[in-house]
Amino acid sequence: DIQLTQSPSSLSASVGDRVTITCRATQSISTYLNWYQQKPGKAPKLLIYVASSLHSGVPSRFSGSGSGTDFTLTISSLQPEDFATYYCQQTYSSPLTFGGGTKVEIK
Amino acid sequence: EVQLVESGGGLVQPGGSLRLSCAASGFIFSDYWMSWVRQAPGKGLEWVANIKHDGSEKHYVDSVEGRFTISRDKAKKSLYLQMNSLRAEDTAVYYCARATGYSYAFDSWGQGTLVSVSS
Repeated sequence: DIQLTQSPSSLSASVGDRVTITCRATQSISTYLNWYQQKPGKAPKLLIYVASSLHSGVPSRFSGSGSGTDFTLTISSLQPEDFATYYCQQTYSSPLTFGGGTKVEIK
Repeated sequence: EVQLVESGGGLVQPGGSLRLSCAASGFIFSDYWMSWVRQAPGKGLEWVANIKHDGSEKHYVDSVEGRFTISRDKAKKSLYLQMNSLRAEDTAVYYCARATGYSYAFDSWGQGTLVSVSS
């Protein structure tokens, strides 16, 4: 099974900060890496698919990069509505797996 | 508008069974792979199972293999998860999700249904 390790597991940041979250896979997954945002009590929402493609309706301050085993989600200028937990997911092979999550909190 | 609405969750004793349903609308249900994803209280996301658009292929996470069965009904535009031999560790919110295109990313999710396994 492919394991995904996210770092950090949590971070504190201020509105306007640039935030970077990383996701590392235990083997190459090409670009079959997706990013989701989840707020408390809500279902996750797709942000980025195939590593760097922005899902419809997602603000352009979100971006993704990487291939192989190392991936990054960047929020260029953190907004109040971005405080949430972020998960990466690989859809390269079954079982599909998620990273452990990164909680972005207000500093 | 794409909508996924789960139902069927509840409290069940260890060893018991439950059947979850997910009603789909706003898209051609038979064109998409569908998945179940769960989230234990205060924990992260865990993919549980998926099924091909025509039902011909199914996959499961090891921890539910042989206990859970995913299925779908084209006419009813519904996805199901039959859960047998339930354990305390199956306690979670269960989401159904639609997989999109070649990336299989989950672009639409239901609101979730809570399954609690306890005596």
